[in-house]
Amino acid sequence: GNSVTQMEGPVTLSEEAFLTINCTYTATGYPSLFWYVQYPGEGLQLLLKATKADDKGSNKGFEATYRKETTSFHLEKGSVQVSDSAVYFCALSDADYGQNFVFGPGTRLSVLP
Amino acid sequence: NAGVMQNPRHLVRRRGQEARLRCSPMKGHSHVYWYRQLPEEGLKFMVYLQKENIIDESGMPKERFSAEFPKEGPSILRIQQVVRGDSAAYFCASSYQRTGLNNEQFFGPGTRLTVL
Repeated sequence: GNSVTQMEGPVTLSEEAFLTINCTYTATGYPSLFWYVQYPGEGLQLLLKATKADDKGSNKGFEATYRKETTSFHLEKGSVQVSDSAVYFCALSDADYGQNFVFGPGTRLSVLP
Repeated sequence: NAGVMQNPRHLVRRRGQEARLRCSPMKGHSHVYWYRQLPEEGLKFMVYLQKENIIDESGMPKERFSAEFPKEGPSILRIQQVVRGDSAAYFCASSYQRTGLNNEQFFGPGTRLTVL
């Protein structure tokens, strides 16, 4: 079945450091890929998405490229801020599999000033 | 345009009681999804409903849990005879159409259930 794997956290970085959070997926169909962010005490917010191979999603300085050959959708940001501290979830939606999302376990990011 | 609303935000129940969680989707959305997030874990799909119909309940426990989305009013996730293992954050999401290439799910703030 479909699944999403993320790098384990927590990840702790200093402000202005480079961020990479790895995400790989397994899907029977041709999924859309998403990154969601969850700030403390809040629900999930869509950060970015990509719907086909080689698409790059970007938002708020974050980027992720849909790599079909490596079944990956790694999240990157060139210079993190303290306000980026949150839990990041990689997810896929596969119309051939069902109408629900499959989420990764989440990666907690802490950015220190 | 108000987002997805959930209430209560926090709910405390004793073992054996019933818990009712409510979700009002975004205006114009007729597709609702419920997820459960256990401490330090990701979200797990529970059930997908479209007005008055359960489309997919493959992630919902067979006993004690039920969900509905009536023609009028919010979607309700009901947990009967709660146990400590039910303590979790329950998130509702809604979408305008069936989730697909260009139809994302919008999430509510969640209900944090604590079973004493």
